[in-house]
Amino acid sequence: EVQLVESGGGLVQPGGSLRLSCAASGFTFSSHWMHWVRQAPGKGLVWVSRINSDGSSTKYADSVKGRFTISRDNAKNTLYLQMKSLRAEDTAIYYCVRDISTWYVMDYWGQGTLVAVSS
Amino acid sequence: DIQMTQSPSTLSASVGDRVTITCRASQTISTWLAWYQQKPGKAPKLLIYTASNLENGVPSRFSGSGSGTEFTLTISSLQPDDSATYYCQHYKTFSSCSFGQGTKLEIK
Repeated sequence: EVQLVESGGGLVQPGGSLRLSCAASGFTFSSHWMHWVRQAPGKGLVWVSRINSDGSSTKYADSVKGRFTISRDNAKNTLYLQMKSLRAEDTAIYYCVRDISTWYVMDYWGQGTLVAVSS
Repeated sequence: DIQMTQSPSTLSASVGDRVTITCRASQTISTWLAWYQQKPGKAPKLLIYTASNLENGVPSRFSGSGSGTEFTLTISSLQPDDSATYYCQHYKTFSSCSFGQGTKLEIK
């Protein structure tokens, strides 16, 4: 059974940093692109970032470019999102998501971790 | 950037009804479109990809169609479990993607 379990969310002050982790199991992690997608409270889905299977290629939404860094450790079956210079508008549930292949089609989602940016 | 617009934003229908949700892209995206279902407090679930391909395990009452800029998600006979918010998503560029604003489907 595919499982994606996020951790690392919490309350952080504006300008602060946070690192999210996603532990993957039940599939060959090193074969899949992975994404982070976020959802502000009561709002819609917003794609944040993508990493290819070996970690050599990354993409970011303009809203987080230069502030967020996606990475992965295939030996540990873990996906990361390092977030810095956090803003109030970054407040959201952050989902770790598996790509069905290399298409940006998202076939398995974690339960999400809440990041709240507030003073 | 490609913008995705869904209509309606909210929809109320009865069990057994045929329901259609529309998604329009601001430029042509061929059939690079997916549909997701999200229930309150839960993560989204993939329903359909490449406009009309049903994901494994998704009930056959769900179907998708369209190409270019206009797409539809159809539920042939609405069930109580289908109460949810539905999102379309384009993935034409393979360097980013975007979602529609969502359609909240309520059961009368």
